[in-house]
Amino acid sequence: DAKTTQPTSMDCAEGRAANLPCNHSTISGNEYVYWYRQIHSQGPQYIIHGLKNNETNEMASLIITEDRKSSTLILPHATLRDTAVYYCIVRVANDYKLSFGAGTTVTVRA
Amino acid sequence: GAVVSQHPSWVICKSGTSVKIECRSLDFQATTMFWYRQFPKQSLMLMATSNEGSKATYEQGVEKDKFLINHASLTLSTLTVTSAHPEDSSFYICSARPPQGAGAEAFFGQGTRLTVV
Repeated sequence: DAKTTQPTSMDCAEGRAANLPCNHSTISGNEYVYWYRQIHSQGPQYIIHGLKNNETNEMASLIITEDRKSSTLILPHATLRDTAVYYCIVRVANDYKLSFGAGTTVTVRA
Repeated sequence: GAVVSQHPSWVICKSGTSVKIECRSLDFQATTMFWYRQFPKQSLMLMATSNEGSKATYEQGVEKDKFLINHASLTLSTLTVTSAHPEDSSFYICSARPPQGAGAEAFFGQGTRLTVV
């Protein structure tokens, strides 16, 4: 019952922006879009979340379409340390029981 | 941000023995913690929800008698894999619900790599 769809993998060049798409066409009005990433053999790390407005923090930007059916996570200047699996998750704000899909394996190349 | 710590980071045990994994919230109280399991090249799968002072809630297909969860204090939840077998070898990860008003993200431990030989 995956609620999000992400590409399996993508490569990007070091120093360039990485744009990670996510489809969530069945998102409910009270569900947020969350992004986490998991570097190999570590626990997941929170990146960013949003409801309908675009969001930016020190790690990334999140662009959510007006109909909220898809979003894009932008890593503005990818580094080798950004190589990880990136998970897009939709959830209500106070539900910390997370359902992880397969995510996108991002490989940043020098 | 809040810190969640797991111990040990990795453990190797013999088949048939039990292994205890600890999950601690270091700078906040967590009434609810979650345990996940991740097999190689797969995603995280939720195993159970650990509630302080009450019984854990297990996801479908997870044996509660095999994976014992104890949440005895507001900063510690433990997962004990009883009578471990090689198929229990996996990466076990906990997360903690942050305190009220502390933000909306979940905080994860660094994971515990269990190898049963």
